[in-house]
Amino acid sequence: GEDVEQSLFLSVREGDSSVINCTYTDSSSTYLYWYKQEPGAGLQLLTYIFSNMDMKQDQRLTVLLNKKDKHLSLRIADTQTGDSAIYFCAEGNNFGNEKLTFGTGTRLTIIP
Amino acid sequence: DADVTQTPRNRITKTGKRIMLECSQTKGHDRMYWYRQDPGLGLRLIYYSFDVKDINKGEISDGYSVSRQAQAKFSLSLESAIPNQTALYFCATSDRRVTEAFFGQGTRLTVV
Repeated sequence: GEDVEQSLFLSVREGDSSVINCTYTDSSSTYLYWYKQEPGAGLQLLTYIFSNMDMKQDQRLTVLLNKKDKHLSLRIADTQTGDSAIYFCAEGNNFGNEKLTFGTGTRLTIIP
Repeated sequence: DADVTQTPRNRITKTGKRIMLECSQTKGHDRMYWYRQDPGLGLRLIYYSFDVKDINKGEISDGYSVSRQAQAKFSLSLESAIPNQTALYFCATSDRRVTEAFFGQGTRLTVV
């Protein structure tokens, strides 16, 4: 079955860039997602990338996709304290008819 | 008001008891999901429903059942709760026309 893996923890100094990595196994993935979970809250979609793209930029967020290596990354520029959260990578393989497979989540801690 | 509402938000129950978690949505989406979140394991899919007459098992459906009472309502039942069902449970919705899944705030369930 599908498998999505992430590191559990990442610590970054305020103002630096954060890079959160994810690997997945399903080569038929159509969309790859990054969700953010703040303490005590549900998940919110941050951004997504279609599998035929290799990069997407949205303000401070940059998503890179290496489809050959099945590797996805999320870069957050100028990391702020409000970026402290758990970040989940997820993959779906059929637009509009999908059940998402989530990674373990990476807890991002910001060091002042 | 939240688009996806889960009740209760917190619940402590005893081993062997039957418990129902409820989810309602105002987004008009046809697809609804129940996920379970455990530290270090990410979100795992319990059950999903693509419309009122459609119910599908996810990767960890044993010990759980669901009911899709209406397009807007999807409930999760634990027929006989056990301690390893202690977790954070999330309901989510999506629509075939969009790529984003919308999550409720979560229900923290403790089985003692």
